[in-house]
Amino acid sequence: ETGVTQTPRHLVMGMTNKKSLKCEQHLGHNAMYWYKQSAKKPLELMFVYSLEERVENNSVPSRFSPECPNSSHLFLHLHTLQPEDSALYLCASSPTGTIPPVQFFGPGTRLTVL
Amino acid sequence: SQQGEEDPQALSIQEGENATMNCSYKTSINNLQWYRQNSGRGLVHLILIRSNEREKHSGRLRVTLDTSKKSSSLLITASRAADTASYFCATAPSGQGGSEKLVFGKGTKLTVNP
Repeated sequence: ETGVTQTPRHLVMGMTNKKSLKCEQHLGHNAMYWYKQSAKKPLELMFVYSLEERVENNSVPSRFSPECPNSSHLFLHLHTLQPEDSALYLCASSPTGTIPPVQFFGPGTRLTVL
Repeated sequence: SQQGEEDPQALSIQEGENATMNCSYKTSINNLQWYRQNSGRGLVHLILIRSNEREKHSGRLRVTLDTSKKSSSLLITASRAADTASYFCATAPSGQGGSEKLVFGKGTKLTVNP
């Protein structure tokens, strides 16, 4: 958790707002992930970036838009969200080219959509 | 689905007792990992067991893997109140050729009462 930071930690937004979540990793990893964690559901993988290239988009609605400007930073841009998008959004990183892929998680952003 | 399923969903024990959590999965795997999550926080990697291993220890943790039954168990011995958390298994499906993707289960919520 200490090597991956996320801001903000809490976010409340209306359905018409635009906001961004930020993730930064200080571990020298080349892969970064966004997950969504809702109550009583498994952790849902949203996006995977490897070497700054998106390699996975898990059928995520277009109101979620990821951006990976470099291997240390990952953003999740949010616009016109729905109340069901309220959840804990977790960022993770891992080294590439290694098996197994142990992932290191940030503390998460608790998002509430009104 | 390749998703892992933890059992039980919730477990409440007294301090000093052992806690056992189980995980079942559906496809062939390269390795299986266990993660821990304190309430509202990010996940922390605990231990990894490879598909050719049957048992692994780390401190008070003991993990077993039975690939014929596609199941794993996590044993925490001499539990402490600080072990209170949710525990997730995560599988790295085989045949992904270096993909970093992990598939997480729904988790077991462990409560250790002082």
